[in-house]
Amino acid sequence: QKEVEQNSGPLSVPEGAIASLNCTYSDRGSQSFFWYRQYSGKSPELIMFIYSNGDKEDGRFTAQLNKASQYVSLLIRDSQPSDSATYLCAVNYNNNDMRFGAGTRLTVKP
Amino acid sequence: EPEVTQTPSHQVTQMGQEVILRCVPISNHLYFYWYRQILGQKVEFLVSFYNNEISEKSEIFDDQFSVERPDGSNFTLKIRSTKLEDSAMYFCASGRDQANVLTFGAGSRLTVL
Repeated sequence: QKEVEQNSGPLSVPEGAIASLNCTYSDRGSQSFFWYRQYSGKSPELIMFIYSNGDKEDGRFTAQLNKASQYVSLLIRDSQPSDSATYLCAVNYNNNDMRFGAGTRLTVKP
Repeated sequence: EPEVTQTPSHQVTQMGQEVILRCVPISNHLYFYWYRQILGQKVEFLVSFYNNEISEKSEIFDDQFSVERPDGSNFTLKIRSTKLEDSAMYFCASGRDQANVLTFGAGSRLTVL
């Protein structure tokens, strides 16, 4: 089974706070992991990807990967109202089979 | 900024009809994908395509569906004998390499009546 699990939320944080989004996956052999953002009625857009255990930072975003626990997370620092969207975790199960979680809806309140 | 282009943006069809959704991937990309998203639900993988053949397909991608790259630029999804439950947004995506950093098109909304 190629499962990607996310807490559907909604997750609500005040402006300026840290938002923490989590994802687990079923296939221990998966090698690449992605976070996409999807605004209502729009297509997914890539935020960042991570391949190695540990943290990867890009501006206000930090992705964390723990392959032993089959766990990926995304931290958004200094959250802004414009960050309000659904965040999709995606896992590459084979070379060309990328599956998405159901997404976590984030609301950042001014 | 290069983009993936999808047409039509919205198609309404009668149950049982065939539809073709079209995509123009980014020109130097080699890997092509179709996903669908039923309203309010998750983005579901349908199929990936590389080197002029299907690379992977999901349980959803049955005999009702087919994909084709008829020329050097277009990538199409054909849905035969549409059903009500085929109503969804269909996203095309392309990637340059097997790292699977995908760029998505704006989507084609299919409504089956």
